[in-house]
Amino acid sequence: SAVISQKPSRDICQRGTSLTIQCQVDSQVTMMFWYRQQPGQSLTLIATANQGSEATYESGFVIDKFPISRPNLTFSTLTVSNMSPEDSSIYLCSVGLAGDSGANVLTFGAGSRLTVL
Amino acid sequence: GQQVMQIPQYQHVQEGEDFTTYCNSSTTLSNIQWYKQRPGGHPVFLIQLVKSGEVKKQKRLTFQFGEAKKNSSLHITATQTTDVGTYFCAGGGYKLSFGAGTTVTVRA
Repeated sequence: SAVISQKPSRDICQRGTSLTIQCQVDSQVTMMFWYRQQPGQSLTLIATANQGSEATYESGFVIDKFPISRPNLTFSTLTVSNMSPEDSSIYLCSVGLAGDSGANVLTFGAGSRLTVL
Repeated sequence: GQQVMQIPQYQHVQEGEDFTTYCNSSTTLSNIQWYKQRPGGHPVFLIQLVKSGEVKKQKRLTFQFGEAKKNSSLHITATQTTDVGTYFCAGGGYKLSFGAGTTVTVRA
C-alpha cells in the first residue's frame, strides 16, 4: 500500500483566512481523494483530485471554497478558503488502489485537524 | 449516491464479551469494506468483501456480506481494549460512501 505524508497535522486558524493542506504519496497513484471528517462524524468525500485537470467535486462542495491542485501523480493540495468556525474539521487525503471487483481500497493520510476561531 | 446505514452508533462492551455492528444499504453493493479508526487516528482499511454470502475472519473479527449484497456485519469475539475505536463500513465503486460508524468503548 502507499505511504501518505500529509501536512500540517493540525493548525489553529483565524476566521476569514485560508489554509493549504499538502498531501505527498510515496508512489504514483491515479486516484486521490479529499475527505472531511467533522467532530464525531463520519467521512464525507469533498472531491476527487484529478491529475492535469480540474477536481471533481461532490454535492455541497465548490471549487471556490475548496480549490484543489494535482500537479502530478504523487502530490495534491487542498485549500480551505475564507474559513469560518464551521470549517473546523479533520481533512483527510486518501489514495485509492484497485482491490477486488475493481472498487477502490483507500489508504488515508494522518489527517489535518483544523480549528477555526 | 449510494448510502450505507450503520448501527449501533455506540457500543459499550465489557472486556471479554462479544458484539456485532451492522451495515445496511437500500441498493445492491458491488463490495463492502470495513475500516477502523482509533481515537485520534485516521481510518485504516481492514477488509473487503465482494461475493454474496462471503465470510472472512481476521483473528477475533468475523466479517460477513449478505446474500443479497445489501448488508454486512462485523462480529468481534472476546473484546479487548485494543478493539477500542470507530468501525466504519463503506460501499461503492471508485468513490466510497461511508457509514456513520460504530464507536466502541471497552470496560475493563
